[in-house]
Amino acid sequence: EVQLVQSRAEVKKPGESLKISCKGSGYNFNRFWIGWVRQMSGKGLEWMGIIYPEDSDTRYSPSFQGQVTISVDRSNSIAYLQWSSLKASDTAMYYCARQGFCSGGNCYWGYWGQGSPVTVSS
Amino acid sequence: DIVMTQSPDSLAVSLGERATINCKSSQSVLSTSNNMNFLAWYQQKPGQAPKLLIYWASTRESGVPDRFGGSGSGTDFALTINSLQAEDVAVYYCQQYYSAPITFGQGTRLEIK
Repeated sequence: EVQLVQSRAEVKKPGESLKISCKGSGYNFNRFWIGWVRQMSGKGLEWMGIIYPEDSDTRYSPSFQGQVTISVDRSNSIAYLQWSSLKASDTAMYYCARQGFCSGGNCYWGYWGQGSPVTVSS
Repeated sequence: DIVMTQSPDSLAVSLGERATINCKSSQSVLSTSNNMNFLAWYQQKPGQAPKLLIYWASTRESGVPDRFGGSGSGTDFALTINSLQAEDVAVYYCQQYYSAPITFGQGTRLEIK
């Protein structure tokens, strides 16, 4: 069974750094793109970027380029989303998701993590 | 970026009736190389992660009840829910994956009348 298990809720102060995680299991982790999606409270879904674990090919939405870093730990089947300096506007729910059966990174997302809530407040 | 616009923003339908949600893309998401529409639909219930319902515009994901159906091509798409059930109350999103950045519609909130 494919599962994506995300890290717990985080409460941080502005300016702090953060790295949240998404552990995949039940499939060949290296062979499927994994992406991150932001959902601010009461709002819609925003695609942040994707990574192909096998070669770490990473693509960012222009809206998030330079604001976050996506990475993977292939040996432990974990994808990461990190910030070097959080802002209050980063407060949101963050989901990881695995692509379906497509060639290339342009694909629907068949499996989703449970979400990692991030709160940034002084 | 491809802009996805859903209509209506919210919808109230009686149990057992049909609900239709529309999605329009600012440019075609039909690939001429494989004749497939790069369009998916997701359901998000309160407090839950989104769930894939439909991909390639009309292919139902495994385990999704057959009362859910997707249609359309090019720039105009629809999600139809026949015989609405109470558990279908959710926000529904369309998504284009034809070109980066992948974009979602703003969501349509479906309620029971």
